[in-house]
Amino acid sequence: EAQVTQNPRYLITVTGKKLTVTCSQNMNHEYMSWYRQDPGLGLRQIYYSMNVEVTDKGDVPEGYKVSRKEKRNFPLILESPSPNQTSLYFCASRTGAVDTQYFGPGTRLTVL
Amino acid sequence: KQEVTQIPAALSVPEGENLVLNCSFTDSAIYNLQWFRQDPGKGLTSLLLIQSSQREQTSGRLNASLDKSSGRSTLYIAASQPGDSATYLCAVYSGAGSYQLTFGKGTKLSVIP
Repeated sequence: EAQVTQNPRYLITVTGKKLTVTCSQNMNHEYMSWYRQDPGLGLRQIYYSMNVEVTDKGDVPEGYKVSRKEKRNFPLILESPSPNQTSLYFCASRTGAVDTQYFGPGTRLTVL
Repeated sequence: KQEVTQIPAALSVPEGENLVLNCSFTDSAIYNLQWFRQDPGKGLTSLLLIQSSQREQTSGRLNASLDKSSGRSTLYIAASQPGDSATYLCAVYSGAGSYQLTFGKGTKLSVIP
């Protein structure tokens, strides 16, 4: 089954404790991206990757890091999480510029 | 910077009614426009993708139109059902290589049985 998976689905952590949210897709998609969704602000793009070892900032990259060492994986790293990073995070992937984007199920992160 | 607006923010209709959701964007230099559905606490499900060269796309009871020159898109839902209740999101692909995706804040639809 074609899908985008994220882990963990739910995470409660404390300020400053480094964490990684994993994202994996089994569709051989070149393009992957991360979004956060907040009430009243909607979905905003954090980072995107056009292919292995090629990444770029979206609208809200501050406080986040990404890496794309393999085509199927695109982890989101929070080196020193803060409460304002409490949010619902989505990973997505697609083949190319004119293709449908597929979203993962989301990761609900709470930073205390 | 691209901005996407969806009106209305919420809509409640009786079952069986036809309805239109609106989406507008500020920069007409877009690649594609996509409509998604999001159920509470869930991820996004793609409904329709309209390429910039297209005027509309149809899938079942859904029809999406795109007018790039005026910066507008509409999602038409025919014969609404309670199962259509969800938040509908409009998203615009822009920027070099269409890698930038900007979402509207969504329209929350409630279909009353």
